[in-house]
Amino acid sequence: DAGVIQSPRHEVTEMGQEVTLRCKPISGHDYLFWYRQTMMRGLELLIYFNNNVPIDDSGMPEDRFSAKMPNASFSTLKIQPSEPRDSAVYFCASSSRGPTMVNEQFFGPGTRLTVL
Amino acid sequence: GQNIDQPTEMTATEGAIVQINCTYQTSGFNGLFWYQQHAGEAPTFLSYNVLDGLEEKGRFSSFLSRSKGYSYLLLKELQMKDSASYLCAATNTDKLIFGTGTRLQVFP
Repeated sequence: DAGVIQSPRHEVTEMGQEVTLRCKPISGHDYLFWYRQTMMRGLELLIYFNNNVPIDDSGMPEDRFSAKMPNASFSTLKIQPSEPRDSAVYFCASSSRGPTMVNEQFFGPGTRLTVL
Repeated sequence: GQNIDQPTEMTATEGAIVQINCTYQTSGFNGLFWYQQHAGEAPTFLSYNVLDGLEEKGRFSSFLSRSKGYSYLLLKELQMKDSASYLCAATNTDKLIFGTGTRLQVFP
């Protein structure tokens, strides 16, 4: 398997623009996670899905952020409008079991987002 | 509430042993994960502890004390390639809460 695939790897945009990040989980994994990583706050869970259904979105910072999973092999994280404070590395991860089970999460390479 | 604490940075010498500590406070605790993250790369899974005690996996070992809310990652026979950030993550009911990570630098 190719592992978790994310695109784009780097994104530079201007404040106010819409940003869409994409993720393809490992085939057969029922759980998909979106994380954001910054120096100050570390790795934060934004939202996770089980069988394409959002389970917990309490980490989504505000209404400007939205995530969808239309099918088992694709998910998007959208920021509209983007702000400079959204600059971070966004990781997608997938796993075959729930987040608290004895089971590792496999992370994608991340998208480094810079909002000017 | 929920809180994960680990040192920000550590340094060590090639061939030495280093211990990275982590204290946690979460509700609905099930277990403790350690991940390794090289600069500019994704985190990768190292270990998982659910019961008290030591789990050994090659040069890496991880320890958990549930009563003390404490874990450590022990790295033996350090190699230059072990220079990375090490993330402690504790389960909180239905999700993982990550610490900000400990950046380890290994010097020759």
